[in-house]
Amino acid sequence: GQNIDQPTEMTATEGAIVQINCTYQTSGFNGLFWYQQHAGEAPTFLSYNVLDGLEEKGRFSSFLSRSKGYSYLLLKELQMKDSASYLCAVTDSNYQLIWGAGTKLIIKP
Amino acid sequence: DTAVSQTPKYLVTQMGNDKSIKCEQNLGHDTMYWYKQDSKKFLKIMFSYNNKELIINETVPNRFSPKSPDKAHLNLHINSLELGDSAVYFCASSQEMEIGTDTQYFGPGTRLTVL
Repeated sequence: GQNIDQPTEMTATEGAIVQINCTYQTSGFNGLFWYQQHAGEAPTFLSYNVLDGLEEKGRFSSFLSRSKGYSYLLLKELQMKDSASYLCAVTDSNYQLIWGAGTKLIIKP
Repeated sequence: DTAVSQTPKYLVTQMGNDKSIKCEQNLGHDTMYWYKQDSKKFLKIMFSYNNKELIINETVPNRFSPKSPDKAHLNLHINSLELGDSAVYFCASSQEMEIGTDTQYFGPGTRLTVL
């Protein structure tokens, strides 16, 4: 079967750095997305990786290793507004998007 | 000038009723989706439409029927509502025909509660 694994919950301190990991086992691979979802709101797009390596976008970076079936989302200079769930999603060989259950990130002052 | 809009935002109804949720996107996208997010926050795709044609139906009960009058609209009709249908339903859209490689833009969600 197809599977996306992420930690259920993480806690970090305002101003710090946090890394949210995602591992996947899918039938083929055509890219990996990270979405942010604040409580009671819709998911919003953060990043898309299809090649190995690090993609940096302001305070957020996303890394992909296709050989390891692994990605992480790195958040720097954490702010209280970063408290949200972070969803990892992988596109398989049939171009279907497989979603992880999300990681709830709690930021403490 | 909302990109993806859904109505209603909240829907409370009795078991056995029939209800509809409407979705509209003004992004000019070719593909639209319906997702269900349950209490465990797991996003599950239900349907996808590309240019008014159904292209994914992820083993959803046939009580759920999507209807797309044009490529800017994808409505969801639910017959004979059950307690287990209580969830948040998200509509989304994307530009590319190759589903799953393009960014999806989500509507605000409809919280359905079945009593």
